[in-house]
Amino acid sequence: GDSVTQMEGPVTLSEEAFLTINCTYTATGYPSLFWYVQYPGEGLQLLLKATKADDKGSNKGFEATYRKETTSFHLEKGSVQVSDSAVYFCALSNSNSGYALNFGKGTSLLVTP
Amino acid sequence: DGGITQSPKYLFRKEGQNVTLSCEQNLNHDAMYWYRQDPGQGLRLIYYSQIVNDFQKGDIAEGYSVSREKKESFPLTVTSAQKNPTAFYLCASQQQGALGQYFGPGTRLTVT
Repeated sequence: GDSVTQMEGPVTLSEEAFLTINCTYTATGYPSLFWYVQYPGEGLQLLLKATKADDKGSNKGFEATYRKETTSFHLEKGSVQVSDSAVYFCALSNSNSGYALNFGKGTSLLVTP
Repeated sequence: DGGITQSPKYLFRKEGQNVTLSCEQNLNHDAMYWYRQDPGQGLRLIYYSQIVNDFQKGDIAEGYSVSREKKESFPLTVTSAQKNPTAFYLCASQQQGALGQYFGPGTRLTVT
């Protein structure tokens, strides 16, 4: 079945550092790929998405490119802020499961001043 | 404001009791989903519904039940058959043909 693997955390960075969170997937067909962010005690917010190979999703300085050849969707940001501290989830959706989301385990990011 | 509401935010129950978690959306979305989140884990799909009066089991449906009598409502019942019910429960909705789900704020259920 479909699955998502993302790098384990926690990741600790200093403010203005470069961020990469790796995400790879296994899926049949042509899934859509997502990054969600969760702040403490809250639900998830959609950060960005990509629907086909070579698509780049971007939002709030975060970017991720849908790489079909490497089955990857790595999240990047050039300069992180303290307010970016949260848990980041990579996910995919596929038509064969009613477009329900299949999540990675999440990566906790802590940005220090 | 359009969105998804889940109530209550915190819920406490004794073992052996059934409990129902509320999820309401005013986004006019067709599909609704229930996920469970445990510490250090991703979210796992419990049930989903793409249309009123129809729903499908997800990966971990055992010990849970749902109903979808109205488009805007998708309550989840955690039954006494669920062996490990303490978790954070998240409801989401999605418009048919769109990509990406909107999530509610979650309900943290503690069973002792």
